[in-house]
Amino acid sequence: GAGVSQSPSNKVTEKGKDVELRCDPISGHTALYWYRQSLGQGLEFLIYFQGNSAPDKSGLPSDRFSAERTGGSVSTLTIQRTQQEDSAVYLCASSSFYGQGGGYTFGSGTRLTVV
Amino acid sequence: GDSVTQMEGPVTLSEEAFLTINCTYTATGYPSLFWYVQYPGEGLQLLLKATKADDKGSNKGFEATYRKETTSFHLEKGSVQVSDSAVYFCALLYGNNRLAFGKGNQVVVIP
Repeated sequence: GAGVSQSPSNKVTEKGKDVELRCDPISGHTALYWYRQSLGQGLEFLIYFQGNSAPDKSGLPSDRFSAERTGGSVSTLTIQRTQQEDSAVYLCASSSFYGQGGGYTFGSGTRLTVV
Repeated sequence: GDSVTQMEGPVTLSEEAFLTINCTYTATGYPSLFWYVQYPGEGLQLLLKATKADDKGSNKGFEATYRKETTSFHLEKGSVQVSDSAVYFCALLYGNNRLAFGKGNQVVVIP
């Protein structure tokens, strides 16, 4: 597609439920990133996929968080047993190999609210 | 670890005023530096970047110079417009192609 597409744009869920957030990167981009944007906390790195390499999961805050990328394209971020502190905007970005020197293209994000 | 620090708090100024947003970094070596902008309801967009010391990145009237001596990459614009109202993030590129972002500054330009 023309840009990075994320869905849903907004998600309200009850504490304890599982949620799945989807990211559709720019066609041909081999690198895909997930970040979390919390109020007053800036952007927090979560996970990075590059081609067929093992993902860099070093930013995932707990084992309730996981992500996969199927066929080198669409990615799904899953949060199990959601907690109120998981409320944030989850941003996905993609780039060509080597990240174009940091020139990521971001999606508009999914705003997650855990009630 | 490598990180960036932005000045605290929102910035409110009048149209045509001069804008400065401070950014300093901590890093081993000399990472590439970036400013990203997030307009209301949109995703982050790359505004400008600099890849080595003394480089000046510029775009849309904004400028930032990579200062190794002061480990800074301050963003400036000589005459802001209402359409510049957005959140601005400073960032650096570190190991394994990851960006580390500052907390961002909300800029509000009043007509």
